[in-house]
Amino acid sequence: GQNIDQPTEMTATEGAIVQINCTYQTSGFNGLFWYQQHAGEAPTFLSYNVLDGLEEKGRFSSFLSRSKGYSYLLLKELQMKDSASYLCAVPSGGYQKVTFGTGTKLQVIP
Amino acid sequence: DTGVSQDPRHKITKRGQNVTFRCDPISEHNRLYWYRQTLGQGPEFLTYFQNEAQLEKSRLLSDRFSAERPKGSFSTLEIQRTEQGDSAMYLCASNPGQGAGRDTQYFGPGTRLTVL
Repeated sequence: GQNIDQPTEMTATEGAIVQINCTYQTSGFNGLFWYQQHAGEAPTFLSYNVLDGLEEKGRFSSFLSRSKGYSYLLLKELQMKDSASYLCAVPSGGYQKVTFGTGTKLQVIP
Repeated sequence: DTGVSQDPRHKITKRGQNVTFRCDPISEHNRLYWYRQTLGQGPEFLTYFQNEAQLEKSRLLSDRFSAERPKGSFSTLEIQRTEQGDSAMYLCASNPGQGAGRDTQYFGPGTRLTVL
């Protein structure tokens, strides 16, 4: 089965950089997703990592180490609108379902 | 087509009543998923359809829950004899299963169920 661990809450200052970590245990690896979810809204896709290394996409980057079962999401130049929950998720074989972590609630303060 | 749609967005019902939710996926997405999310938790997988076939069903889905996707397009999720513990956000997601973005699940806005 899948097991995902990420911090429950984080606080960071507007304009700063924050790193949200995720560790996972999975039987068979098929990539790792990061989703953003604002309160009361549906999750929206941020990134999908299959290979080791850092993938950059504007202010957001995602890193993966398959050997360590570890990923992080890096948010640069934080804006108030980045206040949201960030969900780490791993699909099972055949992408038939995705197991989500509990999410990290990020609060950006002025 | 602007994305996955769900109806209704909110539902309040009394314990013991039946409720049905609808999900319309992105056109030509052959994979459809239902998830349930409670406050402070990530979405939990409930069931998965490939076209009209229901290929996987979570043990979370008791016999009071049933889902269909009769023509391989929209799907319905029915909860019979609702209980207060069923109160949650019910999310639907779809993905194309092939081509660009095949691994990404696109979520609808969800149906928030409150059982009194």
